[in-house]
Amino acid sequence: SQTIHQWPATLVQPVGSPLSLECTVEGTSNPNLYWYRQAAGRGLQLLFYSVGIGQISSEVPQNLSASRPQDRQFILSSKKLLLSDSGFYLCAWSTGGDSPLHFGNGTRLTVT
Amino acid sequence: GENVEQHPSTLSVQEGDSAVIKCTYSDSASNYFPWYKQELGKRPQLIIDIRSNVGEKKDQRIAVTLNKTAKHFSLHITETQPEDSAVYFCAASRGFQKLVFGTGTRLLVSP
Repeated sequence: SQTIHQWPATLVQPVGSPLSLECTVEGTSNPNLYWYRQAAGRGLQLLFYSVGIGQISSEVPQNLSASRPQDRQFILSSKKLLLSDSGFYLCAWSTGGDSPLHFGNGTRLTVT
Repeated sequence: GENVEQHPSTLSVQEGDSAVIKCTYSDSASNYFPWYKQELGKRPQLIIDIRSNVGEKKDQRIAVTLNKTAKHFSLHITETQPEDSAVYFCAASRGFQKLVFGTGTRLLVSP
């Protein structure tokens, strides 16, 4: 069966520090991979998605970036965090548009 | 692109009552409509989904209906229980396009 791992679970970082969140999927090949952000009490904002290694689509211009160095690995990064980057970051995978999204457990990021 | 609107933003019901959450979508070619439940501090989890070749789907106390002509779909929860309290998200997609989510409905079930 397929599983998705996301870490860390919580993170507190100062403004201006770098960020690296990692997500890996097991049990499937060539998944579509996604990064979502959820501000407190708000909806799901799609940040990046990838349909293959090295292929990244950005949905919202910001100081974040994503990379997919391996088929089942998706990384969210920032060189310098802003206060507004605080939120709940969710990685997700699917086999395509008309199939369910499966979310990781999320990373709660607090930028201080 | 696709746009999904969801209503209401908050819904309060008494235990045992029914709850209905409605979503409308803009792209008539959308053909996949999932619903997710997110408990506080947890990840969203798929609770039911429907494809455009079906008008209604049930799973125990949960049902989803789809009206392709009107481009809207609804989540129905019967005999609500306190553990149904959560935020519910609808979504829509077409073919291999990415899912577009609604803004969420906070359901509160009072004992």
